[in-house]
Amino acid sequence: DIVMTQSPDSLAVSLGERATINCKSSQSVLYSSNNENYLAWYQQKSGQPPKLLFYWASTRESGVPDRFSGSGSGTDFTLTISTLQAEDVAVYYCQQYYSTPITFGQGTRLEIK
Amino acid sequence: EVQLLESGGGLVQPGGSLRLSCAASGFTFSSYAMSWVRQAPGKGLEWVSAISGSGGNTYYSDSVKGRFTISRDNSRNTLYLQMNSLRTEDMAVYYCAKGWSATTSLCDYWGQGTLVTVSS
Repeated sequence: DIVMTQSPDSLAVSLGERATINCKSSQSVLYSSNNENYLAWYQQKSGQPPKLLFYWASTRESGVPDRFSGSGSGTDFTLTISTLQAEDVAVYYCQQYYSTPITFGQGTRLEIK
Repeated sequence: EVQLLESGGGLVQPGGSLRLSCAASGFTFSSYAMSWVRQAPGKGLEWVSAISGSGGNTYYSDSVKGRFTISRDNSRNTLYLQMNSLRTEDMAVYYCAKGWSATTSLCDYWGQGTLVTVSS
């Protein structure tokens, strides 16, 4: 199984500042035949289902504000929020869909400092 | 508009059974893979099972293999999860999620979830 490890577990950032969440996979999720990273990012606000933010590691889902960006390749990935807004308070998860079992990171809780 | 509505959750004793349903609308159901993902109270997301758009391929986590069965009725636009031999560790909110394509477990839309409580 591919183990997904996020860091940090929790993060407190001031409004307007940058927030960075890391995700590391235990093996590469880069599929050589199409050069795509099978890595997604989700946002889950309190009491709500997860919402897809990024897929293929850096492709932003429709409607996601451009202050959010996804980057990385192979085994190391990053979700960045360039200027934190109050509505960004949530738990963020990375997920690999390279192989079954599909696995998620443990989640990173983002709060306002 | 994509809508996914789960039902069938509730209280069940350890060793019991439950069948979850997910009614889908707003997209061509048979063209997309579907998944079940669960979340225990206060915990993270755990993928449970997935099924291809045709229903011909199914996948399970080791924690539920042999106890849970995923299926779909493309004529009724409905996804199912039959859960047998339930354990206390199966207690969670179960989400139905739409796949990004016919075969992938990348989930682009999620339902609101249905709560399964396993307790004596």
